Amino acid sequence: QVQLQESGPGLVKPSQTLSLTCTVSGGSISSGGYYWSWIRQHPGKGLEWIGYIHYSGSTDYNPSLRSRVIISVDTSKNQFSLKLSSVTAADTAVFYCARTTYYYANSAFRYFDLWGRGTLLTVSS
Amino acid sequence: QSVLTQPPSVSGAPGQRVTISCTGSSSNIGAGYDVHWYQQLPGTAPKLLIYGNSNRPSGVPDRFSGSKSGASASLAITGLQAEDEADYYCQSYDISLYVFGTGTKVTVL
Repeated sequence: QVQLQESGPGLVKPSQTLSLTCTVSGGSISSGGYYWSWIRQHPGKGLEWIGYIHYSGSTDYNPSLRSRVIISVDTSKNQFSLKLSSVTAADTAVFYCARTTYYYANSAFRYFDLWGRGTLLTVSS
Repeated sequence: QSVLTQPPSVSGAPGQRVTISCTGSSSNIGAGYDVHWYQQLPGTAPKLLIYGNSNRPSGVPDRFSGSKSGASASLAITGLQAEDEADYYCQSYDISLYVFGTGTKVTVL
């Protein structure tokens, strides 16, 4: 079955750019019907959607993070990636990648049906 | 700060029924957007529990059910089991982004 696995450095210094990759196995990232999201969870807190990408390259981002986020896709590697620039301690969180299913054309009707295990990213000097 | 409000905690004895509310507003649930629910067991990633207000993915026990009315939604767990002890989050859409609820910790007494 389809599985997602995040990978990243674990530790990033303040002001640097965070880079994470999600590898999709057991299925093609180019299959229709899905977007591919990044979601984060601050320690002991709730969930925050960061943004998503379609295999065609179409993206959408959380407005509060849009100025610092880039999500890209590499269909040849079956991977999608997150870059978050100018990080601070407030960006310390567990980052999840998630498959995002849409069931109507309206972008409002989407949910996250498959998640990776998550990777903790700490911002510290 | 989340725009979907949930009670911080609910508890019940094994076999009992508990419900978790998810209160939104006219810009999200009240606008007609669907509500989805996730279960997060301790130390693990969230798992989809209910989609489209009341639909269960394959493999989710029918002890879990969802409903929506107006600007609110509810998740009900009947026949509460020890393995249901987890955090639960609702999710919807609000003015160009996907939003999650504040989360509810379910404790099995």
